[in-house]
Amino acid sequence: EAAVTQSPRNKVTVTGGNVTLSCRQTNSHNYMYWYRQDTGHGLRLIHYSYGAGNLQIGDVPDGYKATRTTQEDFFLLLELASPSQTSLYFCASSGQNQAPLFGEGTRLSVL
Amino acid sequence: AQKVTQTQTSISVVEKTTVTMDCVYETRDSSYFLFWYKQTASGEIVFLIRQDSYKKENATVGHYSLNFQKPKSSIGLIITATQIEDSAVYFCAMREGLSSGSWQLIFGSGTQLTVMP
Repeated sequence: EAAVTQSPRNKVTVTGGNVTLSCRQTNSHNYMYWYRQDTGHGLRLIHYSYGAGNLQIGDVPDGYKATRTTQEDFFLLLELASPSQTSLYFCASSGQNQAPLFGEGTRLSVL
Repeated sequence: AQKVTQTQTSISVVEKTTVTMDCVYETRDSSYFLFWYKQTASGEIVFLIRQDSYKKENATVGHYSLNFQKPKSSIGLIITATQIEDSAVYFCAMREGLSSGSWQLIFGSGTQLTVMP
């Protein structure tokens, strides 16, 4: 069964902290995405990738780095977390002409 | 830039009735893809249905169907025989091609649907 798994599901850190959000897909999809969801802004694209080693910048990339180590694994890195990065983060994957499938989300709080 | 607009912030209906949610989009592409997702109270985002712009027939999946009006750049979602468990936030999205040759989804702001007994 097609799946996108995110970890952790919840994370609390302090301002200036270092956070890594993980995403693994078992769908053999080339495309993977990181979105953040905030009230009043909907879903906004942070970074995306269309294959292992490939990285592309989305609409709101400031303060975030990403790495795609394999076709299955996509990581989002916050190296100096700030309160403005408190949000609900979603990973998604898709094939070339398929609707993206979303993970369960990671709720991040930066205190 | 491409844009997706959902003007209905929230809708309430009585169960077993039909509801339509509106979505309009802006694009320069001659071929494009439109999607509807729902987000449940638990936060899960679930793909519901899609419409490819080159297809003239409206898509239908289960009790979801689309009202695709290409000249008006409109893609409405119709839910028939609504159930309590259809209560969720519904997002319209459009696939946008990028200069890198890949693509991303652009989302509308969502419509909160409440189905009442």
